[in-house]
Amino acid sequence: GAVVSQHPSRVICKSGTSVKIECRSLDFQATTMFWYRQFPKKSLMLMATSNEGSKATYEQGVEKDKFLINHASLTLSTLTVTSAHPEDSSFYICSAGTGSYNSPLHFGNGTRLTVT
Amino acid sequence: AQKITQTQPGMFVQEKEAVTLDCTYDTSDPSYGLFWYKQPSSGEMIFLIYQGSYDQQNATEGRYSLNFQKARKSANLVISASQLGDSAMYFCAMREGVDIGGGTSYGKLTFGQGTILTVHP
Repeated sequence: GAVVSQHPSRVICKSGTSVKIECRSLDFQATTMFWYRQFPKKSLMLMATSNEGSKATYEQGVEKDKFLINHASLTLSTLTVTSAHPEDSSFYICSAGTGSYNSPLHFGNGTRLTVT
Repeated sequence: AQKITQTQPGMFVQEKEAVTLDCTYDTSDPSYGLFWYKQPSSGEMIFLIYQGSYDQQNATEGRYSLNFQKARKSANLVISASQLGDSAMYFCAMREGVDIGGGTSYGKLTFGQGTILTVHP
């Protein structure tokens, strides 16, 4: 089955620093990847849609300058949290799949970010 | 308006019994997909089962079945013979088509609020 690898699984950083999270599709090519954010015991909220070779599409209310997304190849998308603050602490999870409505999205294992 | 609604924040079931997790959805798109995912405490999202809008029969995958009632716009997940390892958060999700100018693209998953299932021994 389709495998999506996300790295790192956990990261602790200091306020004001930047953190990069990588999302790779290991056995398929993903022209589109999605980045979600999840608070404890809450639902997954879509942050942005990452398109290979073009700019990401951000959901309303998501700061594009704070959450930089780069989709440099068909197998790699990165999310960089810039100038992180404690309120950015959260669980970030990426997903990828084909562009068909009858195909599930496959998820990475997520990254738990703690900003101190 | 909420596109996917899960009205049960928490559910409890005895081991070996069946449990139904509710999900209703709202869309005007004739082509859509409905999905259920399981999220254990470790955080990974595990795909369980899929139902397409044109499917005539309810989907089944092992102990999981989907009670699809299109007219009522509901897609409830039924877990038979519950096991302790089924304790997790369960999400219902939908993929709809988006007009991208001359064509249709199916992109993001929209999730419901989730239901925390606890299986008692």
